[in-house]
Amino acid sequence: EADIYQTPRYLVIGTGKKITLECSQTMGHDKMYWYQQDPGMELHLIHYSYGVNSTEKGDLSSESTVSRIRTEHFPLTLESARPSHTSQYLCASSGTPSYNEQFFGPGTRLTVL
Amino acid sequence: RKEVEQDPGPFNVPEGATVAFNCTYSNSASQSFFWYRQDCRKEPKLLMSVYSSGNEDGRFTAQLNRASQYISLLIRDSKLSDSATYLCVVTGGISYGKLTFGQGTILTVHP
Repeated sequence: EADIYQTPRYLVIGTGKKITLECSQTMGHDKMYWYQQDPGMELHLIHYSYGVNSTEKGDLSSESTVSRIRTEHFPLTLESARPSHTSQYLCASSGTPSYNEQFFGPGTRLTVL
Repeated sequence: RKEVEQDPGPFNVPEGATVAFNCTYSNSASQSFFWYRQDCRKEPKLLMSVYSSGNEDGRFTAQLNRASQYISLLIRDSKLSDSATYLCVVTGGISYGKLTFGQGTILTVHP
């Protein structure tokens, strides 16, 4: 089993609230990623990081922001949640020896009312 | 055009059947290829890498055709537990370490 954790697993919240989705890994991986996936749809990369203090936007535009202050921690923040943010958010990491194998966390299912 | 395209299915097959999934990719600079498996409401997990020479892992065989930019996955003797969504994944070129996922092919194996 991969050592990558996400909290909370489920979150139901009202419009306008600020939320932070936590992701942490204990594998020492330097690369971390956030994906967004709607039910039955494909994964879309929204943010990634190649190391501490490195963050980049992914292929899908997102109103969320991320930070990477520590190698093991890659939180995602929404300053003002909206119903359009309702989705599943999956965190992943990769590292040596194979950067191309990504290990995924269990995901956070976010519902914004 | 999507970078990675798969037949979404669903494929409904009986136990013991052989089923094949296809995938095409548009970026000729892609270097690495994978099949991931995603169970319902779960996270994706790596099923197998795909090598140019083709590779086999038990009942699963993956093949790559670089000239046609085509990847396949063959599952022999299907089990109920094979029911899942199979994701074709591509990476490489300038986006090293970034995976591009297909939309997935849904497989349901029934008794």
